[in-house]
Amino acid sequence: GAGVSQSPSNKVTEKGKDVELRCDPISGHTALYWYRQRLGQGLEFLIYFQGNSAPDKSGLPSDRFSAERTGESVSTLTIQRTQQEDSAVYLCASSSRTGVDTQYFGPGTRLTVL
Amino acid sequence: KQEVTQIPAALSVPEGENLVLNCSFTDSAIYNLQWFRQDPGKGLTSLLLIQSSQREQTSGRLNASLDKSSGRSTLYIAASQPGDSATYLCAVRPAGGYQKVTFGIGTKLQVIP
Repeated sequence: GAGVSQSPSNKVTEKGKDVELRCDPISGHTALYWYRQRLGQGLEFLIYFQGNSAPDKSGLPSDRFSAERTGESVSTLTIQRTQQEDSAVYLCASSSRTGVDTQYFGPGTRLTVL
Repeated sequence: KQEVTQIPAALSVPEGENLVLNCSFTDSAIYNLQWFRQDPGKGLTSLLLIQSSQREQTSGRLNASLDKSSGRSTLYIAASQPGDSATYLCAVRPAGGYQKVTFGIGTKLQVIP
């Protein structure tokens, strides 16, 4: 079927505004990951969902960041009161089994905070 | 804390040349190691995945090796083509925390026609 999709592809917002990023994983994939990629830097792990288990939120940089996922479907990453340092590409990935199968990445959402 | 380093940061080669990209990691307690390519403005595409018990994986012109004890992996690209131009990322999944994959910053490869 289709690959991982993310929306929007680009988002420009003003400092202090809230933004919501969406990820549609590959159908049937139980694991879903969010990463942040700042310019010239490696991918930073943000959060991980596995089925209906409690998510691993240990990578979220502050309480302004939150994410939700209902079952094995769509996930949303919300950033409240955005700051300029939140500017980055936010990548979502899904895999069929944690720790075993490869991650399939979406194209990312480029967030620019003015 | 796992650290992943990739050398060189950038590489420019003429078409047809064979090349090697390097990845090193500080904690040898890994579950697997994966090589990805990232094209500008796009997400990551998986190239090769090596489990900790394996020494190498091959796909077409690509060969990835893993020496877990020394904390090193190499990605060998044979007969490079302009279409190979991209950033190549190495990612390490730990043995204890499957979900916290650590990525290197990548090697930006340019293959000149």
